[in-house]
Amino acid sequence: AQTVTQSQPEMSVQEAETVTLSCTYDTSESDYYLFWYKQPPSRQMILVIRQEAYKQQNATENRFSVNFQKAAKSFSLKISDSQLGDAAMYFCACAGAQKLVFGQGTRLTINP
Amino acid sequence: SQTIHQWPATLVQPVGSPLSLECTVEGTSNPNLYWYRQAAGRGLQLLFYSVGIGQISSEVPQNLSASRPQDRQFILSSKKLLLSDSGFYLCAWSQDGQRGYTFGSGTRLTVV
Repeated sequence: AQTVTQSQPEMSVQEAETVTLSCTYDTSESDYYLFWYKQPPSRQMILVIRQEAYKQQNATENRFSVNFQKAAKSFSLKISDSQLGDAAMYFCACAGAQKLVFGQGTRLTINP
Repeated sequence: SQTIHQWPATLVQPVGSPLSLECTVEGTSNPNLYWYRQAAGRGLQLLFYSVGIGQISSEVPQNLSASRPQDRQFILSSKKLLLSDSGFYLCAWSQDGQRGYTFGSGTRLTVV
């Protein structure tokens, strides 16, 4: 079974600044994947970034990067050069044993 | 390319009425299929998942049921809706339950 915890219900950042969203997880699986999804007001789930647990190198997608600390079971998301379009709910998720489990989400506000 | 269709987009149903939400996937075979529910401002709760025709796993005992009558079709049902069934329902698919999940556009269900 997997559990995912996001301890920051809300975060805000100034446009063009950097923000880090926190996530911790727990799983009994040895082979698993970690994800960050973005949910804008349209409520469409958009994949931001994915990390394979067996890879030590942190994943990066343009302005988005993760800090994956496997021993600590931590998976934070860093957004650089924040843009107004980054405003959304962000969900951390863990996939193992055929299912994807989500955290409760962090609402990110971008201040112009 | 693979696509996922979910309908209807919005539904208002009276308490005690039946429910049927449908999800279909195109462009792949034998996908893993998932139903999630999201309460307002909250995370996604996994309700059911299926790794094959007729195979349904229930994550949360409740007033809902799921069926998979065809390889790429996943149906969420209820015989009698409760007020607490209101929420945003998302269907998703994954080829292997780990590396990637794609979500439908969701159904906003209001039980009145």
